[in-house]
Parts: sequence; C-alpha cells; structure tokens
Amino acid sequence: GIQVEQSPPDLILQEGANSTLRCIFSDSVNNLQWFHQNPWGQLINLFYIPSGTKQNGRLSATTVATERYSLLYISSSQTTDSGVYFCAVGYTGGFKTIFGAGTRLFVKA
Amino acid sequence: GAVVSQHPSRVICKSGTSVKIECRSLDFQATTMFWYRQFPKQSLMLMATSNEGSKATYEQGVEKDKFLINHASLTLSTLTVTSAHPEDSSFYICSAQDGFNQPQHFGDGTRLSIL
Repeated sequence: GIQVEQSPPDLILQEGANSTLRCIFSDSVNNLQWFHQNPWGQLINLFYIPSGTKQNGRLSATTVATERYSLLYISSSQTTDSGVYFCAVGYTGGFKTIFGAGTRLFVKA
Repeated sequence: GAVVSQHPSRVICKSGTSVKIECRSLDFQATTMFWYRQFPKQSLMLMATSNEGSKATYEQGVEKDKFLINHASLTLSTLTVTSAHPEDSSFYICSAQDGFNQPQHFGDGTRLSIL
C-alpha cells in the first residue's frame, strides 16, 4: 500500500516564527487533506488540496502531485497553532484515506 | 457546512459492557463513512469503511464481531464495541464523505475508557 511520510515529527517554534511542514507519498493520489488536531482531539480540516496551491489566512498549502509531495506553510505562528498536523491521502488504488504519522507542533509564547 | 456530529464524546464503563457510538452528517448526505481509532500520541488508524445500505469493509486485524458497524441511512452510522474490555479503551473518530474523492469531514471523537 501507499506510504505517507511527514516531517519533521516534532517542531518547537517561538511565537511569530514561520514554518514549513512536509508530506511525501509513495504513489499517485486522488486527493490530499491537511488537518490540525487540537489538544482536545478535534480534527480541523485545513485544506483539501489534491494539487495546486491554496491559502487561508496565515496558512497556505501546495501539492505537487507529479512529484508526490505536499507542503503546509504556517506564517506568524501563534500559541493556538499548537497541536498535531496530519497529512492524509486517498490513493488511486483504493477507496480509503491513509494518514501520515503527523507533525507535533508546539508554539511558545 | 459539512458538519459531522459524533456522540457520546466520552464514555466510561465497566468491562463487559457494549458501547454504541453514533456518527451523523448534519447538513449533507454521507455516501461513505469511516471509523478510525487513535492511541495516545499516534496517528489515526482506519478500522472500517461503510457505505449506506451495505456491509462495512473492515481493515486487516479489526474484529468484525467486536466492532459492529451499521450504516442504515445516508446521515447515520453507528459503531458498537461489544463486550468491551480495557484494551478497547481508545479515542474513536468517525468521518463522512459525500462522494468519491471528496473531502472527509470528521466528528469530534469519542474517548472510551473501559474499567
């Protein structure tokens, strides 16, 4: 099956800093989503981005499907950005979504 | 839009009890619903995929008789953990999807603790 790798696994930022989270996948995908899981366990849908670039406030994401990677950019980080960021892909060979291991982000005040 | 409601949010019960978790899509029709399990500090692991009106497809290693899934309508799926034991304690999350290759929308999860 498809492999989904996220990096870095852990990230500590000072409030106001920028960061880039990476997601690489081993096979062609039909769709890709980025999620933020907050400390209460809620999964917040950030982007549905099988290809191209999208922006939503301080967050933006780019997926280059032909090169099998996606990037999530966080600018001017805030303490409320803390949590785990997951990349999840739906691949061509199946009808289910595979999650990466996540990037655990902590933003210090 | 695209709200998924999951109840209950937390359950604490004795070993041997069966527990039912509901997942509802409030403002869209969910042709497919997914059930995930998440252990502390780990990623989400898919347990099963259910389509309205048909039997669920379980992932390898997930016991069908232990985790009963019913997707009786386009807005409701239920997961029943039968005769739960302490090792079943976990965070269970559902998601719903309106069509193939559409975004998945997640419920807020159910934290299950079996004493």
